[in-house]
Amino acid sequence: AQTVTQSQPEMSVQEAETVTLSCTYDTSESDYYLFWYKQPPSRQMILVIRQEAYKQQNATENRFSVNFQKAAKSFSLKISDSQLGDAAMYFCAYRSEGAQKLVFGQGTRLTINP
Amino acid sequence: GAGVSQSPSNKVTEKGKDVELRCDPISGHTALYWYRQSLGQGLEFLIYFQGNSAPDKSGLPSDRFSAERTGGSVSTLTIQRTQQEDSAVYLCASSLLTRSEQYFGPGTRLTVT
Repeated sequence: AQTVTQSQPEMSVQEAETVTLSCTYDTSESDYYLFWYKQPPSRQMILVIRQEAYKQQNATENRFSVNFQKAAKSFSLKISDSQLGDAAMYFCAYRSEGAQKLVFGQGTRLTINP
Repeated sequence: GAGVSQSPSNKVTEKGKDVELRCDPISGHTALYWYRQSLGQGLEFLIYFQGNSAPDKSGLPSDRFSAERTGGSVSTLTIQRTQQEDSAVYLCASSLLTRSEQYFGPGTRLTVT
């Protein structure tokens, strides 16, 4: 079974600075999808960014980008120019090509210091 | 358009009672998912619907848990004879097709006393 590990339970960063959240995963599959979700105190999970494993180019969405290292099974999220609204729990998630369910990591709580 | 909605937002129930949690997916989304988020277990998949059928129920923790979906739209997750370990946030998500992005609702926080 696939597993996802987020080794940083908590992270903090100064407003306007850059922060990187780590995620590693374990799989024997070659085709899959990786996601970062944000969960603010409202509880609603919001998709931040997705990466297809077959794509070598790292995904980017405005201030959010990933560093996808397929061989190392690593999928980190970089947030540039951190804003107060970025404060939330961040979850890394994996989905097999042939499956529908998401497998989540334990989450990283990100605090933004003004 | 409207997102995924869930009701109730919060539910407190006594141990041994039955509860029903409701999910309204985004209009037109054919796939619907239930997840559970608890302190001890993190985020776990429970069940997935494609239309009204549930091809994957592998995450349901016991036979006290059941779910149905009618009209390819609203889904209800039922927990019978609730136990304290059922206390968690129950999240629902929907997607336009299987294997496309999942959009989540705000969840139902269930507390069993």
